[in-house]
Amino acid sequence: GENVEQHPSTLSVQEGDSAVIKCTYSDSASNYFPWYKQELGKGPQLIIDIRSNVGEKKDQRIAVTLNKTAKHFSLHITETQPEDSAVYFCAASKGFQKLVFGTGTRLLVSP
Amino acid sequence: DVKVTQSSRYLVKRTGEKVFLECVQDMDHENMFWYRQDPGLGLRLIYFSYDVKMKEKGDIPEGYSVSREKKERFSLILESASTNQTSMYLCASSLTLAGTDTQYFGPGTRLTVL
Repeated sequence: GENVEQHPSTLSVQEGDSAVIKCTYSDSASNYFPWYKQELGKGPQLIIDIRSNVGEKKDQRIAVTLNKTAKHFSLHITETQPEDSAVYFCAASKGFQKLVFGTGTRLLVSP
Repeated sequence: DVKVTQSSRYLVKRTGEKVFLECVQDMDHENMFWYRQDPGLGLRLIYFSYDVKMKEKGDIPEGYSVSREKKERFSLILESASTNQTSMYLCASSLTLAGTDTQYFGPGTRLTVL
């Protein structure tokens, strides 16, 4: 089955810096890659996703890139703000298969 | 607005107790999920349900069972709680079973088994 690895497990940046979180997946048939953000005391919430027919997708300060050949995808956050501090999960799926989540990255943005 | 609620935010139980975790969604979603969240292990799927009274095992179903008697409600049952079931439990729902459907999560129940 699918296996998703996520790095780093923790990431500390200064406010205004960029943050990058990377994930690799094992099943080349996976075609959907969402990113979820979990704030303290809340459940994860979808922030951005990308499908395998697209190489990059942007939404304001966040972007996701996908390299199908290398089977990895990344979340990029620019101009980080303290409210970006959270745990971020990547995931992968194909068709009607269940989502497989990565292990999570705790991002801390210091003022 | 989409909403998934879980019956308790924090729960403390003793080893051997039967534990019920309740989840309710108000979005008329077909599918509901139970995950377990542990540090360094991410979100792991315990069970999911694609219709009333229907259920499928996820990746770690051992020691758990589920019940879905109504479309909006999905219960996770620990028949005899053990200390290794101390964890954060997250419920989610989605409109369809397509892997591309957004999953909406509840706030979680932090369960401690003593």
